[in-house]
Amino acid sequence: QKEVEQNSGPLSVPEGAIASLNCTYSDRVSQSFFWYRQYSGKSPELIMSIYSNGDKEDGRFTAQLNKASQYVSLLIRDSQPSDSATYLCAVSWGSGTYKYIFGTGTRLKVLA
Amino acid sequence: EAGVTQFPSHSVIEKGQTVTLRCDPISGHDNLYWYRRVMGKEIKFLLHFVKESKQDESGMPNNRFLAERTGGTYSTLKVQPAELEDSGVYFCASSPRGQPTPGAGNIQYFGAGTRLSVL
Repeated sequence: QKEVEQNSGPLSVPEGAIASLNCTYSDRVSQSFFWYRQYSGKSPELIMSIYSNGDKEDGRFTAQLNKASQYVSLLIRDSQPSDSATYLCAVSWGSGTYKYIFGTGTRLKVLA
Repeated sequence: EAGVTQFPSHSVIEKGQTVTLRCDPISGHDNLYWYRRVMGKEIKFLLHFVKESKQDESGMPNNRFLAERTGGTYSTLKVQPAELEDSGVYFCASSPRGQPTPGAGNIQYFGAGTRLSVL
């Protein structure tokens, strides 16, 4: 069983809609969670980080963490064609090297 | 401020040859990570440096891979001899010095990667 799982997509949404990206993970102690956006051939870029249960909002982006159900999600409101990219979910365990465990990424397509 | 830079962006070599990838982290970042993504798979951890010391190399596939970090600045990842299954995109990431606050995260900044093709 993979430690971090994402639906690879593609997830297609119309412009202006809400895109919902989900990520599930296996249980560990003291996890930290990150969402990165990656355009083809470019570096992964941090969108959101979240450490505690609940919602965290930043502009059009909202990260939601539910440790009891072992999932973390990213909502993108008012989706724009420029949001079309691959979204990577990364989990960092709370001890040791703090290395990331990644999901396979979800490809998002926002249709104009 | 410059981000994480990686050289070359793309390398095509034949099986059995040697290739060296380079990563320049963000200035002042003590932590340096190498990751790899092979076709269709997730990005996987290879190893972690704190300054010039290897903190964790549990993800290194085998002894054909050798990573160094000279003087705690840039890092190189050498593959010798390269095999077909080594093809993929190699990412480098860096993060600031010290351990993150308990319960908080360790935000890593990524380079654009080196795409390695072994023929």
